[in-house]
Amino acid sequence: QVQLEVSGGGLVKPGGSLRLSCASSGFDFSVYHMTWIRQAPGRGLEWVSYISSGRSTNIYYADSVRGRFTISRDNAKKSMYLQMNSLRAEDTAVYYCARADVVVNAITSYFYGLDFWGQGTTVTVSS
Amino acid sequence: IFLTQSPGTLSLSPGERATLSCRASQSVGSSYLAWYQQRPGQAPRLLIYGASTRATDIPDRFSGSGSGTDFTLTISRLEPADFAVYYCQHYGSSPPITFGQGTRLEIK
Repeated sequence: QVQLEVSGGGLVKPGGSLRLSCASSGFDFSVYHMTWIRQAPGRGLEWVSYISSGRSTNIYYADSVRGRFTISRDNAKKSMYLQMNSLRAEDTAVYYCARADVVVNAITSYFYGLDFWGQGTTVTVSS
Repeated sequence: IFLTQSPGTLSLSPGERATLSCRASQSVGSSYLAWYQQRPGQAPRLLIYGASTRATDIPDRFSGSGSGTDFTLTISRLEPADFAVYYCQHYGSSPPITFGQGTRLEIK
């Protein structure tokens, strides 16, 4: 069955770095778009970053993390990563990875939802 | 595109009907509108995509509708497990993912 396992969270001081991993199983990881979403304590869902599939991956970042976070994927390892640098207190959140079921053709794209989510990992930025 | 959900909190009793609203700041294709349920301490779960198509294993008590800027999630007969937070979400070009702020459905 489809599984996404998130790891790498922890306590880090402001200005520090962490690398999150999202390991997949049960599906062909290479053909799926993937995304990171976070949720600060007591708050709603906030999209963080997105990476498409295919030979030329398209990458997107939320304004709040652009220039500090880097998303990547390793299809051979069926994994996605989020390198987080220059962390701030406001980056404190539970970080989820999710699979985006998207079909893209020459004309348009079809979105079937963020259909599978990892369990989340907690990142706490505090001195 | 911004998504505004209303109400912020909805208080109902089991067996009642819940109607949750999601309004987009500009017209969006219904193919790109989804709804999620998040129970306390859990990851969100996909309920509806394409504005009205139920995801796998989602009971038919959940239904989605709408077009343009106004979308609705309806839960026909509330069960205890349905009391949770619900988010609408849009898939677009840039940014690719946008969430509404959520509606908390609580037991009255």
